[in-house]
Amino acid sequence: GAVVSQHPSWVICKSGTSVKIECRSLDFQATTMFWYRQFPKQSLMLMATSNEGSKATYEQGVEKDKFLINHASLTLSTLTVTSAHPEDSSFYICSARGPGTEYGYTFGSGTRLTVV
Amino acid sequence: AQSVTQLDSHVSVSEGTPVLLRCNYSSSYSPSLFWYVQHPNKGLQLLLKYTSAATLVKGINGFEAEFKKSETSFHLTKPSAHMSDAAEYFCVVSKAAGNKLTFGGGTRVLVKP
Repeated sequence: GAVVSQHPSWVICKSGTSVKIECRSLDFQATTMFWYRQFPKQSLMLMATSNEGSKATYEQGVEKDKFLINHASLTLSTLTVTSAHPEDSSFYICSARGPGTEYGYTFGSGTRLTVV
Repeated sequence: AQSVTQLDSHVSVSEGTPVLLRCNYSSSYSPSLFWYVQHPNKGLQLLLKYTSAATLVKGINGFEAEFKKSETSFHLTKPSAHMSDAAEYFCVVSKAAGNKLTFGGGTRVLVKP
């Protein structure tokens, strides 16, 4: 079945530094990838949608200069949290959809980011 | 626009008894509907999906859901709960043509021995 690998699974960083999270589709080509943020005991909120080779589309209220998304290949998308602050601490989850997997969204295992 | 409402934020059941998780949706088009499960600090696993075929959808681990257009509902059921079913469950809607997913608020299931 379709597998999405997300790395790292957890990361602790100092305030002001940047953190990169990777999302890889291991056995299919992900034409579209999605990045979500989840606060404790809350639902997933879509941050942005990225299509391979084009700029990401950000949801309203999401700072595109803070959350940099790159989808340079059909198997890799990255989310970089720049100049991280404690309020950026959250659980980030990616999801990928392939060209031949109609309605098939495969989720990564998530990344727990803690900014201290 | 589309939206999803999960009517219960928490559900507590005894092991071996039925589970019912309620979901209502709002959509201006024929939607695709999904149920996902999330265990603590993990990603999401697809339980089942409705994509305008049979209204009664069978999923993994004994779960099933029924699409009722007249009631705009897509409730998830399981006849007999297991301890391993304790998790967070999300009802999700998307456009029939695919793409953006809209999540419900989630229902946390507690299974008592």
